[in-house]
This record gives sequence, structure tokens and C-alpha cells, in this order.
Amino acid sequence: AQKVTQAQTEISVVEKEDVTLDCVYETRDTTYYLFWYKQPPSGELVFLIRRNSFDEQNEISGRYSWNFQKSTSSFNFTITASQVVDSAVYFCALSEENYGGSQGNLIFGKGTKLSVKP
Amino acid sequence: DTEVTQTPKHLVMGMTNKKSLKCEQHMGHRAMYWYKQKAKKPPELMFVYSYEKLSINESVPSRFSPECPNSSLLNLHLHALQPEDSALYLCASSQADRFPYNEQFFGPGTRLTVL
Repeated sequence: AQKVTQAQTEISVVEKEDVTLDCVYETRDTTYYLFWYKQPPSGELVFLIRRNSFDEQNEISGRYSWNFQKSTSSFNFTITASQVVDSAVYFCALSEENYGGSQGNLIFGKGTKLSVKP
Repeated sequence: DTEVTQTPKHLVMGMTNKKSLKCEQHMGHRAMYWYKQKAKKPPELMFVYSYEKLSINESVPSRFSPECPNSSLLNLHLHALQPEDSALYLCASSQADRFPYNEQFFGPGTRLTVL
């Protein structure tokens, strides 16, 4: 079973539209981290946010916001007023305290490709 | 300095060539990682080094040979690769390889093409 599910494979929006990328995770751990990374066409994985399992406060950073809901095991990412530069593949990832082993494992979702058209 | 650097950016090699990928970080991190990423897929973990010792080899073929000469450097030696090994190779580092110190910072990657 997939531990991190990003059901949206590709999303296309027009500039200035708001867009939400979904992430649903599965874990037996009570202590874990969730991450979002952005991968533009250049290839680098850019860290966007880390959220620990005990902090359900939503976070806003400029045009980006994250909605963490333990009740639905979701950690969704919203971009407000999207711009062409937001075009990238976005990965959600999970790191578990006990079940991730000692290998520093990051469990990635399959990614959502976002295209923002002018 | 919160940067992970990788060289070269692009590499084209034949199946009989020997080449190396290099990764460097100066964040004092003690865990370093190699990932392979095929197009339209998430990164796949290949190797983990912890305190300069290989701690994980995810059943990677022996034509890939990692090396960690010191805590800041990580190499991936390539020999007798196959065309299906063409991919983006990403290096990452973290404070340690154990939760919760395993927040990983990634380099820009090396795009490898095997002819």
C-alpha cells in the first residue's frame, strides 16, 4: 500500500488562479514529519516545508499555505494567485520515527506536475 | 552555507566508460545520500552514508560504487553502465540519518545519459 498518495498526477491552471495540491499519508507512528518539495525543470529538489505530527496549525508563507489535518491524514498545499514560476513537480514526503528505520528514509509520493499558463 | 553542490551538471558516457559523480556539502551534516530519479517518477534511494560509513545499499548493482572520502564529500563511481541507467542522480545530506535529524537538503543533480 502506498504510504504517501498524491492522487493528482497533473494539474493545469491559468496564472492568478488558486490551486491546491493534495497529499494523503498512511503511518502507524504517532511521531512523524511531513514535507513538501518543489522540483522545477532544472531538477533540484527545493525544500518548502516540514511539519511535525504534533503541530496541526496551518502555515502560511507568502502565497503558499499548508493545511495539515490528522483526522483525514492529509497535508494539502495551496498556492494562491499562481504564477508561471510555480510550474514544477511537487512532491509530498513522510519521515517516520519508528517505522522509517535508521536510514533517514523519506517516503515520497509520486508527485503532482503543476503547469501554470500565462 | 546551506548548499549541496554536485558536479558535473550533465554527463554523457558510453557503456564502457568509467566516470564519477561528485557531491559536496559544508553544513556539517554527517549523513549523505544518493538517489536516482527517472523521468516522471519520485527519487529512489540508492545509498546512505552515516559518519562516512555505508549504512544502506538499496540493492544497487555493482556498476555503481559509492565512496565517502570525508564528511563533506560523496562520490559515485560509474562503470559499465547500461542505457537504462540514464537518469537524474541526486545527492542529499542531513544532520544524521536518524529521525528527527533526517531533514534532507538536496543538490541540483547530475543528468546522466548512457549511450
